Amino acid sequence: QLQLQESGPGLVKPSETLSLTCTVSGGSISSSSYYWGWIRQPPGKGLEWIGSIYYSGSTYYNPSLKSRVTISVDTSKNQFSLKLSSVTAADTAVYYCARQKIVVVITHCFDYWGQGTLVTVSS
Amino acid sequence: SSELTQDPAVSVALGQTVRITCQGDSLRSYYASWYQQKPGQAPVLVIYGKNNRPSGIPDRFSGSSSGNTASLTITGAQAEDEADYYCNSRDSSGNHHYVFGTGTKVTVL
Repeated sequence: QLQLQESGPGLVKPSETLSLTCTVSGGSISSSSYYWGWIRQPPGKGLEWIGSIYYSGSTYYNPSLKSRVTISVDTSKNQFSLKLSSVTAADTAVYYCARQKIVVVITHCFDYWGQGTLVTVSS
Repeated sequence: SSELTQDPAVSVALGQTVRITCQGDSLRSYYASWYQQKPGQAPVLVIYGKNNRPSGIPDRFSGSSSGNTASLTITGAQAEDEADYYCNSRDSSGNHHYVFGTGTKVTVL
């Protein structure tokens, strides 16, 4: 059974960089069938896609966050990571990592999710 | 537009049928996927593509699409179906950008 687990600091100061890692177990991050994504959810609000990465390193980012986001992959550790720079209180959210399956070009889904980790931006 | 719009809340009597809709221009070109989220838990995929259910999802969940609207139907709603539901699709820009709907709170009476 595939499992994803987010890890990283739960508290980040304003203007600093948020860094999270997602460790994948029970399957290979190098599978050609999947992308790997980050999604966040501010307290009491809806879901927001942050970005996705392929095992080769190809990345796609939410245009509204693109200037601050970097997603990378480490296939040797079966991990992928998120960095979000210049954070403000508006970046306080539960951050989820997820496997993204693209069945055909018009069909995709996030079929496995981590449990999520709350990151609070505060001094 | 890259937005996906959902009704904020719907209610359904136990055992009855409820349909949750998701509207957006991108749905004319791409299928939606649907997620159930209960308080304090990660979202769970319930429907993707034309009408595909992952293993373990009850067959009372079904999906459909017409024009710019995708729908998730729960036929014979159970108490455990009370949750927030989100649609998700690729946006209409043609790039690999994805957007979630605004979410619908389903209450089972």
